[in-house]
Amino acid sequence: QVHLVESGGGVVQPGGSLRISCAASGFSFSSYAMNWVRQAPGKGLEWLAVLSFDGRDKFDADSVKGRFTLSRDNSKNMLHLEMSNLGVEDTAVYYCARGGYGDERGGFDYWGQGTLVTVSS
Amino acid sequence: DIQMTQSPSSLSASVGDRVTITCQASQDILNYINWYQQKLGEAPKLLVHDASKLATGVPLRFSGSGSGTNFTFTISSLQPEDFATYYCHQYDDVPLTFGGGTKVEI
Repeated sequence: QVHLVESGGGVVQPGGSLRISCAASGFSFSSYAMNWVRQAPGKGLEWLAVLSFDGRDKFDADSVKGRFTLSRDNSKNMLHLEMSNLGVEDTAVYYCARGGYGDERGGFDYWGQGTLVTVSS
Repeated sequence: DIQMTQSPSSLSASVGDRVTITCQASQDILNYINWYQQKLGEAPKLLVHDASKLATGVPLRFSGSGSGTNFTFTISSLQPEDFATYYCHQYDDVPLTFGGGTKVEI
């Protein structure tokens, strides 16, 4: 079955950088768009970015534009999020979520369990 | 950006009650809306996709309806395991956006 497992979360100082990853299994990873969504403590869900199935098209939220970079390795079924210039407001659980098939619009049918990123001095 | 106005933000209900949550989009999103359930400490789970289609394995007491800008999510008979927070989500256009959530409490 579909499985998404995030890793790489931890504590980072303000202004620092961190790379989190999402390992996918149980489906044709290279056929789906992939997303990152985060949830600050006690808050709602915030979409961050999407990367097309082939990695050619990326869209991201204004809150992370220029600071966060998505990438994917379809040969290893891996999705990555490189985060830089982190602020305390970036403290959240970060989820990867499967999007649409191919070029189709798609909501998030599968989610990982999340990885916690804490920005603190 | 498409704003998703979800209401109510919280509600109290009893087992067996009918629960209705609404989401209004700031512009026409056709039927590109999902509904998710999130329990404390867990990842969100897809319940309804494309406004009205039940996700695989989701009990029939859950349903969704609407198109354009006005959408409704209903639990026909609330069960103990349904106490959670529910979110609507539009995927018509980037930036993808969520409603603010509805916490369903006892």
